Amino acid sequence: QVQLQESGPGLVKPSETLSLTCTVSGGSISSYYWSWIRQPPGKGLEWIGYIYSDGSTNYNPSLKSRVTISVDTSKNQFSLRLTSVTAADTAVYYCARQVGYGEPNDYWGQGTLVTVSA
Amino acid sequence: AIQMTQSPSSLSASVGDRVTITCRASQGITNDLAWYQQIPGKAPILLIYAASRLQSGVPSRFSGSGSGTDFTLTISSLQPEDFATYYCLQDYNYPRTFGQGTKLEIK
Repeated sequence: QVQLQESGPGLVKPSETLSLTCTVSGGSISSYYWSWIRQPPGKGLEWIGYIYSDGSTNYNPSLKSRVTISVDTSKNQFSLRLTSVTAADTAVYYCARQVGYGEPNDYWGQGTLVTVSA
Repeated sequence: AIQMTQSPSSLSASVGDRVTITCRASQGITNDLAWYQQIPGKAPILLIYAASRLQSGVPSRFSGSGSGTDFTLTISSLQPEDFATYYCLQDYNYPRTFGQGTKLEIK
């Protein structure tokens, strides 16, 4: 059973960089697509982007200038960096697996709340 | 980006009821539509993919239909654990986009 676990700071100051890591257990990170999705408190879901195990990426144009997703296959981890954060970036951040390019996300992490505040 | 519009935004129903939630895409997406259930404080759970295919382990009271721009999620007989928020997702192209959600509440 594949499991995903997000980790990182729960509080980030405005204008700074949000950094999260997702650790994958119970399966290999290779040959899958790995996504980040976020959900502001009380609101809906927003797709941030994905990385394939070979390092290729695809980002939401609305965030593209601020987002970097990277992968470390040796550690079975992938990471999210979001720069120049504002209060609008406060959200629960989920990592999730996608079996194929045109497939939905099947396994999700439990999510981690990141609050942007001074 | 493709816009996904769900209706209704909220719905009150009783245990045993049959309920239907609708999702409309702003352009044709063939059958590239998934449905998720989210319980407060938890991650979304994949229920349906490819518009009508039941994800492994999901009860058969859940079903999906549709193609092109109009899709439905049906729960044939509501159980207490089904009261949650439901989201559609288009996986036709990128960026992926979700519907705004339908909150299913106990009447």
